[in-house]
Amino acid sequence: NAGVMQNPRHLVRRRGQEARLRCSPMKGHSHVYWYRQLPEEGLKFMVYLQKENIIDESGMPKERFSAEFPKEGPSILRIQQVVRGDSAAYFCASANGLAGADTQYFGPGTRLTVL
Amino acid sequence: GENVEQHPSTLSVQEGDSAVIKCTYSDSASNYFPWYKQELGKRPQLIIDIRSNVGEKKDQRIAVTLNKTAKHFSLHITETQPEDSAVYFCAASLTKLVFGQGTRLTINP
Repeated sequence: NAGVMQNPRHLVRRRGQEARLRCSPMKGHSHVYWYRQLPEEGLKFMVYLQKENIIDESGMPKERFSAEFPKEGPSILRIQQVVRGDSAAYFCASANGLAGADTQYFGPGTRLTVL
Repeated sequence: GENVEQHPSTLSVQEGDSAVIKCTYSDSASNYFPWYKQELGKRPQLIIDIRSNVGEKKDQRIAVTLNKTAKHFSLHITETQPEDSAVYFCAASLTKLVFGQGTRLTINP
């Protein structure tokens, strides 16, 4: 699972700014999942993407949050007009998509702090 | 949607003893049940998983059991060691992972 890359590892933003988080899946993996973890809490599903498609965005807030996984390049989670409540660790995970329920391997996470 | 309950929230055991963490799930369609270990400030790491066509799986000191009828599954760690101290999360999945709330396991030397 060392193959899942996320950057930046730490991101500090002021209220109202935009945060852009990147995730490069493991080689050969075409499925990407984003999860959010608040301090001292569990992981909450946000969005599931395959190349160029959003499969399930049921866990993502309707406003200010968007995600994409383009044909070329990493998956990006974008948070516009950040607020203090967005401060959390954001993890992406990747899977190879060969089975209905795949083993997901997590990246190191991006820790977002909103001042 | 799926809902996963995990107990206990904290667990403290003596080194060498066994630890058991239990989870229940609500969606009978879920067919994949992984367990992740997360150390402070680190990523969740998969330690063992089980699919719905299997009742038990073991990997050295770690075992997982699944009761599909009752919709619950458990993690068993035997001969615990200080490095087993961490937060453990169960999850249930059909596609996306739905996590339990986590169990903070402390191994006392």
